[in-house]
Amino acid sequence: GENVEQHPSTLSVQEGDSAVIKCTYSDSASNYFPWYKQELGKRPQLIIDIRSNVGEKKDQRIAVTLNKTAKHFSLHITETQPEDSAVYFCAAMGFAGKSTFGDGTTLTVKP
Amino acid sequence: GAVVSQHPSWVICKSGTSVKIECRSLDFQATTMFWYRQFPKQSLMLMATSNEGSKATYEQGVEKDKFLINHASLTLSTLTVTSAHPEDSSFYICSAPSGRAYEQYFGPGTRLTVT
Repeated sequence: GENVEQHPSTLSVQEGDSAVIKCTYSDSASNYFPWYKQELGKRPQLIIDIRSNVGEKKDQRIAVTLNKTAKHFSLHITETQPEDSAVYFCAAMGFAGKSTFGDGTTLTVKP
Repeated sequence: GAVVSQHPSWVICKSGTSVKIECRSLDFQATTMFWYRQFPKQSLMLMATSNEGSKATYEQGVEKDKFLINHASLTLSTLTVTSAHPEDSSFYICSAPSGRAYEQYFGPGTRLTVT
């Protein structure tokens, strides 16, 4: 089955700096790669996603890049703010719509 | 956007008892729903795929006789944790495909504590 690795597990940045989280996947059949933000005790919230036929997507301060050949994708957050502090998960979706999640990154943005 | 609800939001039960968690799609139909389990400070792990009108498919290592899934209608899937034990204490989250491309809608989760 699919295996998703996510790095780093924790990330601390100063407010205004950029944050980058990277994920790799193993199944070349995976074709959809969402990123989620999860606050404690709450459901994952989709923040951006990318399909396998696209290399890059941007939404204001958030961007995602995908390298299908290398099987890795990355989340980029620019101009970080304290409210960006949360746990971020990458995921890869493949056969039958099943998603495999990375282990998560705890992002802390220091004011 | 589409809404998925779960009930209850939290439940405490005694060891050995069973507890049922409901997942509903409120404004759309879902022939498929997914059940995840999330232990503290860990990731979401897919437990099973719930299919309306047919048997659920379980991920490797998930006991189908312990985690009973019933997808009785196009808007309701239930997960019953049978003979619950303290190690079953976790955050259980369901999701349903939006029907638009690939996006999933997640329920708010159910916090299960087994004493």
